[in-house]
Amino acid sequence: GQNIDQPTEMTATEGAIVQINCTYQTSGFNGLFWYQQHAGEAPTFLSYNVLDGLEEKGRFSSFLSRSKGYSYLLLKELQMKDSASYLCAVIINQAGTALIFGKGTTLSVSS
Amino acid sequence: DGGITQSPKYLFRKEGQNVTLSCEQNLNHDAMYWYRQDPGQGLRLIYYSQIVNDFQKGDIAEGYSVSREKKESFPLTVTSAQKNPTAFYLCASSMPPAGLSGANVLTFGAGSRLTVL
Repeated sequence: GQNIDQPTEMTATEGAIVQINCTYQTSGFNGLFWYQQHAGEAPTFLSYNVLDGLEEKGRFSSFLSRSKGYSYLLLKELQMKDSASYLCAVIINQAGTALIFGKGTTLSVSS
Repeated sequence: DGGITQSPKYLFRKEGQNVTLSCEQNLNHDAMYWYRQDPGQGLRLIYYSQIVNDFQKGDIAEGYSVSREKKESFPLTVTSAQKNPTAFYLCASSMPPAGLSGANVLTFGAGSRLTVL
């Protein structure tokens, strides 16, 4: 079966750093996405990893270890607007049409 | 502005009624998708279409139907056969990835929230 695990909830304070972990056990692997979703809104693309290592984009970074089936999203200099759900998703086919999503991690940032 | 438009944003349905959710995109994307999102659950794929006049079942297609008569449009019908239709429905589109290591990034619409009374 397909399984993607993320923590359900996390809390942090403004200005802090938070790491959201994602572990996966899937029938195939052709890349991993992180999306951000504010309540009642559309998910928006944050990052994509297909090779091992760290991808940095401003305050957000994403790491992948394929051998460990593990990824994390690192958010630095947290702001109130970062309060949202963060979705980890794995592509399991080469065409990229089959994405398996985790249940999402709800991050609450307080002042 | 290019994007995906879903309508209606909120919809109420009586049991036994079919309803159709609209999804239109002007991004010139080839592929379109319908996902369902329930509280505490990940997004689950209902149907997807890679080209016009062709579509494939996702993980939870039972009780749903789709059509893809135009590249821009991918409406989803929630039929009376769907046992638990109350949910948040998300439509998405994408272009094929550029190369094997390219990302098939999904662009999502704002969603339609369906409630069965």
